[in-house]
Amino acid sequence: ETGVTQTPRHLVMGMTNKKSLKCEQHLGHNAMYWYKQSAKKPLELMFVYNFKEQTENNSVPSRFSPECPNSSHLFLHLHTLQPEDSALYLCASSQAVAWRTNTGELFFGEGSRLTVL
Amino acid sequence: DAKTTQPNSMESNEEEPVHLPCNHSTISGTDYIHWYRQLPSQGPEYVIHGLTSNVNNRMASLAIAEDRKSSTLILHRATLRDAAVYYCILRDRNSGNTPLVFGKGTRLSVIA
Repeated sequence: ETGVTQTPRHLVMGMTNKKSLKCEQHLGHNAMYWYKQSAKKPLELMFVYNFKEQTENNSVPSRFSPECPNSSHLFLHLHTLQPEDSALYLCASSQAVAWRTNTGELFFGEGSRLTVL
Repeated sequence: DAKTTQPNSMESNEEEPVHLPCNHSTISGTDYIHWYRQLPSQGPEYVIHGLTSNVNNRMASLAIAEDRKSSTLILHRATLRDAAVYYCILRDRNSGNTPLVFGKGTRLSVIA
C-alpha cells in the first residue's frame, strides 16, 4: 500500500468510447503525475500537476485530457483512443517542495491497465 | 538531467549479494543519484538515493565512486521478491519540481 490508489485497475474500451481513469493520494502531497508504460518501453511522462496547476504536458495527444480538481485527486479522461494507446497508466505523487532539497520521492499507484479494441 | 547507462539484464542466485551497476559519466556536481525498482504488475517504488557518500537503508546500499561517474546498488541477500526492473536516475537538486525521467533499467532475475 503506497498511499496512491488508482481505479479502475483494468479497463477495456472501444475506440469510440469515453472513459476516465482516477487517481487518489492520501499522503498530503502537492504534486501529481501521469506516466504511460507501453509493453517493453520505458515509462513515459505524460502530465505533471503542481498545486493543482498543470506544469508539464509532454506532447500528449489531445485524446488524453487530464483534470486535477484538488491536490488529492487526478483524472485522465480518455476519448477516441487508438489501439496503440493500450498500456499501463501509472499515477504518482510527491511533495513538490521537497524537490528543492531533492528528497522528493515519488509514490506510485499500481496502475490502470488499458486495452483499446 | 544527465543520462545513465545500465545493463539490460542481470541474474542472481537467491540469498547471494547482487551488485547492480550504473554509469553516469556526464553527472554534474548538483545531481543526486536515485534508484527505483518496479516489481511485476506494480508501479515503481523508491529504493535509495545519494549524492557523494555511500548510503545504507533497510532495502539496499548505494556505493558511489569517488569521481561520481558511476554507482552501484547493492542488495545484500537477494530474495525472489527482489526480482524487478531497477532504474538508476539522476536528478538535479536545482531543477525545481520537474519529475523523474526513467530509462530502460536493469531487469534482475533471481534464481531459487
